[in-house]
Amino acid sequence: QVQVVESGGGVVQPETSLKLSCAASGFTLSNYAMHWVRQAPGKGLEWVAVVSYGERNKYHAESLKGRFTISRDNSKNIVFLQMNSLRPEDTAVYFCARARDFGAYSNDAFDIWGQGTLVTVSS
Amino acid sequence: DVQMTQSPSTLSASIGDRVIITCRAGQTINKWLAWYQQKPGKPPNLLIYEASNLQSGVPSRFSGSGTGTEFTLTISSLQPEDFATYYCQQYNSYPYTFGQGTKLEIK
Repeated sequence: QVQVVESGGGVVQPETSLKLSCAASGFTLSNYAMHWVRQAPGKGLEWVAVVSYGERNKYHAESLKGRFTISRDNSKNIVFLQMNSLRPEDTAVYFCARARDFGAYSNDAFDIWGQGTLVTVSS
Repeated sequence: DVQMTQSPSTLSASIGDRVIITCRAGQTINKWLAWYQQKPGKPPNLLIYEASNLQSGVPSRFSGSGTGTEFTLTISSLQPEDFATYYCQQYNSYPYTFGQGTKLEIK
């Protein structure tokens, strides 16, 4: 079964760090670009970051101002999102999603999504 | 960033109705538009990619059209399972952006 499963969320205090993981199964992760998307409670979807299949290319939402970093370990079939200096407005469900096309870094929709992991930033 | 604007924000309709949701991009995005359906507590589900291509496994009552800056999602005959929130997304350029969503409610 083709799927991705996120983990690593939780309740953290402002200005702390958290690292999310996205484990892939049922497909060869190294063939696909991967994305993170977040959704604040009761709000819409916000794209966060992308990493190309070989990790050569990355792009992060400008609004994150260098606090978040996407990475991957293809040998372990895992994608990561390192989040630093967390703020209450970062509270959201974080989804990992696969680019639909084999090898595509851009111009591609997301066909496989995980169930998400909830990050709550609160003092 | 490319701003994506959906209309309406909320839509009330009945089983069997034909509904149309519109998405407008702030600049041309060619054909690089997707539509997703999201139900409460669930991740989004890809319905349409490249503006008009039906994702595998998605019922044929869903269809998409448009190019450039104006796009539509049409559901030809609403079924009970279609009541959800729908999002458009541009993937012409980074940062990818989503519309604010259209909540489809039962009339």
